[in-house]
Amino acid sequence: DAKTTQPPSMDCAEGRAANLPCNHSTISGNEYVYWYRQIHSQGPQYIIHGLKNNETNEMASLIITEDRKSSTLILPHATLRDTAVYYCIVRTPNPYTGNQFYFGTGTSLTVIP
Amino acid sequence: DAGVIQSPRHEVTEMGQEVTLRCKPISGHDYLFWYRQTMMRGLELLIYFNNNVPIDDSGMPEDRFSAKMPNASFSTLKIQPSEPRDSAVYFCANSPGVLPPTSTDTQYFGPGTRLTVL
Repeated sequence: DAKTTQPPSMDCAEGRAANLPCNHSTISGNEYVYWYRQIHSQGPQYIIHGLKNNETNEMASLIITEDRKSSTLILPHATLRDTAVYYCIVRTPNPYTGNQFYFGTGTSLTVIP
Repeated sequence: DAGVIQSPRHEVTEMGQEVTLRCKPISGHDYLFWYRQTMMRGLELLIYFNNNVPIDDSGMPEDRFSAKMPNASFSTLKIQPSEPRDSAVYFCANSPGVLPPTSTDTQYFGPGTRLTVL
């Protein structure tokens, strides 16, 4: 699986957009980009995923560069409840060996009032 | 659906004791994963099952750890004997195992069991 690089921590003002970057320069053509987050003392929570097109859901938007070597997770209006560790993961879906994820160290996002 | 259910939520035991962690997966989700999370090592995959069959246990730290999935609605992770360095939060996760191969999959995590070995 391709490795990812994320900044260890970021701050964001409440109500502003939080833009979390992720580098995955060794990503291959069939690997998806996933984002999860983990709020303190809870299990990781799925946010969004994409292959090469930008994606949006009720939680966030995912912007993937044209060369797919990096992506940005956007929380459009951050709230205090968005304070969490955000993990960027690249993964090749494989129904024969499962879909295990390898979590790195992630970005610790703190939303400031 | 109640999601992934894990029990107990907290477990405190003494070194040398046997510990059993339990997971009730989401109905119909074919893949089940056991993870361990510590401050030092982050979130590590221990073992995963497909249709109740263990597929990859290369992440299991040593023979003191064992995992079973006797049926589609129940899995256990056992540590015998437990040691202080086993103290961690243990998560169970599920994914549907969607086909065909170009489809993607999402893992749903339980709330975790916080294990403290004294």
